[in-house]
Amino acid sequence: AAGVIQSPRHLIKEKRETATLKCYPIPRHDTVYWYQQGPGQDPQFLISFYEKMQSDKGSIPDRFSAQQFSDYHSELNMSSLELGDSALYFCASSTTSGGQETQYFGPGTRLLVL
Amino acid sequence: LAKTTQPISMDSYEGQEVNITCSHNNIATNDYITWYQQFPSQGPRFIIQGYKTKVTNEVASLFIPADRKSSTLSLPRVSLSDTAVYYCLVGVYNTDKLIFGTGTRLQVFP
Repeated sequence: AAGVIQSPRHLIKEKRETATLKCYPIPRHDTVYWYQQGPGQDPQFLISFYEKMQSDKGSIPDRFSAQQFSDYHSELNMSSLELGDSALYFCASSTTSGGQETQYFGPGTRLLVL
Repeated sequence: LAKTTQPISMDSYEGQEVNITCSHNNIATNDYITWYQQFPSQGPRFIIQGYKTKVTNEVASLFIPADRKSSTLSLPRVSLSDTAVYYCLVGVYNTDKLIFGTGTRLQVFP
């Protein structure tokens, strides 16, 4: 079965640079979520989109922005990168099918800021 | 969202049954209980979800007592590949975000 696709899988940037992470949800999934997981930490919710509109917002820095496009893929844009942004970034997708919503996670993008 | 408390770590041996208990004393009427599994450097994977009593699927069972203040994830006959972090999450049905607490690191030995 098709899964959530994230690209790139690995990314190395320098401080103050920008980065764009992409997420392609499972076909027919209309909701996308972004999570950040720092080294040795638990995943933290950043932001989510439903039908191309922002549906919820968590602890996402103002330096970050995201959007969902007409084909339902999503991009997380990160500017003025800091060392502390080094983390695994997961995208998850879901759809309300039969009343139950399960989030399916992608393999993640490992971002290293030097 | 209700706060959850789980053991930080557990050890087991191959072939044994593992039970991981999660406390959620402040669970609300509309809250569901969901468990995820995460391997190192991989995205969390949905295991099971329930509201009350018992739920079973091909991977695990979830036991929820009547007061719903705790829940127990049961993994039958674990193998080495079950070594992972297990997260218990409590949230409103169909809520947008998942709030991860500190999961339980399960180590399975041969």
